[in-house]
Amino acid sequence: GAVVSQHPSRVICKSGTSVKIECRSLDFQATTMFWYRQFPKQSLMLMATSNEGSKATYEQGVEKDKFLINHASLTLSTLTVTSAHPEDSSFYICSATITGGAFQPQHFGDGTRLSIL
Amino acid sequence: AQTVTQSQPEMSVQEAETVTLSCTYDTSESDYYLFWYKQPPSRQMILVIRQEAYKQQNATENRFSVNFQKAAKSFSLKISDSQLGDAAMYFCAYRSTTTGANSKLTFGKGITLSVRP
Repeated sequence: GAVVSQHPSRVICKSGTSVKIECRSLDFQATTMFWYRQFPKQSLMLMATSNEGSKATYEQGVEKDKFLINHASLTLSTLTVTSAHPEDSSFYICSATITGGAFQPQHFGDGTRLSIL
Repeated sequence: AQTVTQSQPEMSVQEAETVTLSCTYDTSESDYYLFWYKQPPSRQMILVIRQEAYKQQNATENRFSVNFQKAAKSFSLKISDSQLGDAAMYFCAYRSTTTGANSKLTFGKGITLSVRP
């Protein structure tokens, strides 16, 4: 089945550090990937839609300069949290869809737990 | 904009019994897709079942089935013969058909299901 790999799974770093999270589709090409943020016991909140070869589409209220997204190839999208602060601590999860329309399910990475000290 | 409502934050079921998780949604579209995702404590998002709105027949996947009532905009998930491994957070999600693979998922708030041995 379709596999999405997300790395790293856990990051602990100091305030002011920039952190890069990678999302890879291992056995399929994904022209579109999605980035979510999730707080404990809450739902997934869509941050942005990442499109290969073009600028990401950010949801309202998400700072594009804070959360940089790059989708340079059909199998890789990256999310960089720039100058991270404790309030950026959260669980970040990506997903990708196999080309074929909206009925194709989104396949999720295992998530990244980000802790900013 | 579409909305998905899961009004029950928590439910509990006895092992081997049946439980139904409720979900309602609001949309002006006539064609769309509906999904149930499971998120166990590992926080991995796992697709449980999906339904195409234009299909009247309710989807089933082994012990999981849905009761899709399009006119009422209701999409409940029934879990039969509940197992300890079913304990997780369950999310109902809506996806438009209009933008294909770019179409984002709209999630409900989720429901935490516990299974009593």
